[in-house]
Amino acid sequence: EAQVTQNPRYLITVTGKKLTVTCSQNMNHEYMSWYRQDPGLGLRQIYYSMNVEVTDKGDVPEGYKVSRKEKRNFPLILESPSPNQTSLYFCASSLRPGVPGELFFGEGSRLTVL
Amino acid sequence: AQSVSQHNHHVILSEAASLELGCNYSYGGTVNLFWYVQYPGQHLQLLLKYFSGDPLVKGIKGFEAEFIKSKFSFNLRKPSVQWSDTAEYFCAVNTGNQFYFGTGTSLTVIP
Repeated sequence: EAQVTQNPRYLITVTGKKLTVTCSQNMNHEYMSWYRQDPGLGLRQIYYSMNVEVTDKGDVPEGYKVSRKEKRNFPLILESPSPNQTSLYFCASSLRPGVPGELFFGEGSRLTVL
Repeated sequence: AQSVSQHNHHVILSEAASLELGCNYSYGGTVNLFWYVQYPGQHLQLLLKYFSGDPLVKGIKGFEAEFIKSKFSFNLRKPSVQWSDTAEYFCAVNTGNQFYFGTGTSLTVIP
């Protein structure tokens, strides 16, 4: 089954404790991206990757890091989480933007930073 | 940066009523347009998409949307809503390598 898998789905952590949210897709998609969803703000793009070893900032990259060492994986790293990073995070992939372009989303990871 | 506006934040309808949700974007160049739906507790799923050609596109579950280039709009419509359409709806625009989402419209359908 074609899917985007995120882990963990739920996480409560404390300020400053490094964490990684994993994302894996099995569709051989070139494009992968991370979003955060906050009430009243919709989804905002954090980082995206056009292919292996190619990453770029989205609209809200501060406090986050990513890496793309393999085509299928795109982990999101919070080196020193802060309470304002409490949010619902979605990973998404696409064959490539524009052709056909639509995003396939993971189930989401709800992160709480105390 | 691109901005995407969804003017209806909360919509409440009775079953069988018609639905129209507005979406406007700011970018004047070539765009790809999408509507996504998020059912309670679930991830976003694609409703429909527009890349080129016929500006009236049909999606799943009886939804359709019309791209009006001169108005920078991509409004979502459904002639008769059902209780199961209760969800949050997001308009999205793809320009280049980035995707931009609207703030979402929460739709509640009353049986």
